[in-house]
Amino acid sequence: DAGVIQSPRHEVTEMGQEVTLRCKPISGHNSLFWYRQTMMRGLELLIYFNNNVPIDDSGMPEDRFSAKMPNASFSTLKIQPSEPRDSAVYFCASTRTGKETQYFGPGTRLLVL
Amino acid sequence: DAKTTQPTSMDCAEGRAANLPCNHSTISGNEYVYWYRQIHSQGPQYIIHGLKNNETNEMASLIITEDRKSSTLILPHATLRDTAVYYCIVRVYSGGGADGLTFGKGTHLIIQP
Repeated sequence: DAGVIQSPRHEVTEMGQEVTLRCKPISGHNSLFWYRQTMMRGLELLIYFNNNVPIDDSGMPEDRFSAKMPNASFSTLKIQPSEPRDSAVYFCASTRTGKETQYFGPGTRLLVL
Repeated sequence: DAKTTQPTSMDCAEGRAANLPCNHSTISGNEYVYWYRQIHSQGPQYIIHGLKNNETNEMASLIITEDRKSSTLILPHATLRDTAVYYCIVRVYSGGGADGLTFGKGTHLIIQP
């Protein structure tokens, strides 16, 4: 079975550019999470969706960050404009309601120059 | 969610049992103990979780003290591939809807050949 799929796996961009990260959750899962990992702050929850609806976006650092889940099989995390401090590994995870195990994707390594 | 305390790092010889402690003295009655691990350059991986009884699966055993203020994750026969950062997380069982995980700094377990 395919796990959580994230793309791109690596992204290098210049400050001010728009960045879009993509996630395909495991089929049948109805909850999706976006996390960010940096050396300074560790793993942080940014936002999560249940049944395609954003439930808690309190972890989104600022208005430059936005996330959407147009359907059950796709989500995007967008940063516009990007800044060097956004450089991090961004993970997507999914699970099914009633199941407590979250399955993480391989992450997207973002470097903003 | 309750706060957890873990040692920053631990060493263990290959083939021996690795015992990873976690303190969660402020745990509430409806909070579970979860363990995840993160192998270098990969997304976190679920290991095991429990409420008050000891639990065992194909990966590990979880021993929770009777007062539930601490727990120990046991990898019975550690291999080099078990080198990773191990996270102990305490959280309320979400029941009908999934919610995000709060990661601490974890324990960096190094398996020595």
